[in-house]
Parts: sequence; C-alpha cells; structure tokens
Amino acid sequence: DAEITQSPRHKITETGRQVTLACHQTWNHNNMFWYRQDLGHGLRLIHYSYGVQDTNKGEVSDGYSVSRSNTEDLPLTLESAASSQTSVYFCASSGTNRDNEQFFGPGTRLTVL
Amino acid sequence: RKEVEQDPGPFNVPEGATVAFNCTYSNSASQSFFWYRQDCRKEPKLLMSVYSSGNEDGRFTAQLNRASQYISLLIRDSKLSDSATYLCVVRGSQGNLIFGKGTKLSVKP
Repeated sequence: DAEITQSPRHKITETGRQVTLACHQTWNHNNMFWYRQDLGHGLRLIHYSYGVQDTNKGEVSDGYSVSRSNTEDLPLTLESAASSQTSVYFCASSGTNRDNEQFFGPGTRLTVL
Repeated sequence: RKEVEQDPGPFNVPEGATVAFNCTYSNSASQSFFWYRQDCRKEPKLLMSVYSSGNEDGRFTAQLNRASQYISLLIRDSKLSDSATYLCVVRGSQGNLIFGKGTKLSVKP
C-alpha cells in the first residue's frame, strides 16, 4: 500500500547542530508540505513543494530549508538548531490537483537542548 | 484576527450525547473547508470536507455559512472512540492547509 513515512520518529539534538528530517511518500504525489505543531499554535506551514526542483517558503520558514530532487522525498533541514525549534514536525503530500486531500506522515518529535 | 479560530474546549460529554463545534475563518475568498481529526500524539486525518450545501457522513454533519464565515461540525450519538481533537481547516491560496488550534473532545462512559 502507498504510504508516507518520516524518520527519525524521535530525535534529541543540541543547539547549533544541523539536523535533517526525512519524509518519503510512495503515492507519486507532486505536492509535499512540512508543518510544525506546537501547543497554543496548531499546525503551521514551514515549506512546501509542487514538484521536483520546486520549493516555497511557508509561514514559519526562518531557520529551515528543503530540497526536492525527486518526487518521493522532501527532506527538511534545520541549519543551526535552536531551542525554539523543539516541536513535532509533520510531513504531508497530495496529488497534483491542489484541492486533493493531504495525507500526513506519523510525525517527528524533535527536542533541541 | 487569526485566520482560523475555534473554541479549544475541552468538551466533556457522556456517551450518546450530541456535541457541536464551531469555527470562524477570516479570509472571505476561501473556497475549501475541512474538518480533520487528530488523536493524541498522532497525525491529523481528514474527517470530512465541508460543502456549501452542508454534508453528512453517518453521525457527523458539517455546515458552512459563507456570509458569516462560519463552519460547524455536529456529532450525534457520541462514542468513546470519538474522543480526539477536531481541527477546523481552510485551504490557503497556495494549496496549503491553514489549521485552527483544535477543539478537544472527551467522551465519557
């Protein structure tokens, strides 16, 4: 069955380190999204991509970057982790039509000490 | 004003009760609306889309009032398994989803 996976599921890192969170989907979806979820804020969009080589900034993109070298993967990189980036990160994907349902991965819980 | 606002709850109801959640959105040009469900420490999952004419899926009914920029979700005959956080969601102009903070529902025996 097609699915969307994230790794690692849990990570603890130190301030200043570079961290990469992986997102992989097997639906062959063109659209992929990264969100973060924090208490009191709900889910907020970090970056998104509508296809290979396409990336766009979302509402809370500072300190994050993404690259899209193939259809299946959209890794999220924290260039220099900060304690404010402690959060739960969800990746999502959807088909070409932007009205298509978004399917979410299981999430990555990141703690920056 | 937040783009999507909803009462955080919690709503504590007995099994069999009817419960209603409300949500308002700020962008009058918004075209697509949804309710997502999120269980504790899990990913959000689509519960139902919300159509202008209103729509029903079993015990769940969603309504949209464009004039008031208001969305509602009604759950009839609540089950223990309905306990979760319900997220009101509006699609943004870039195809992304804009989430409310969620309303927590706890159904008690």
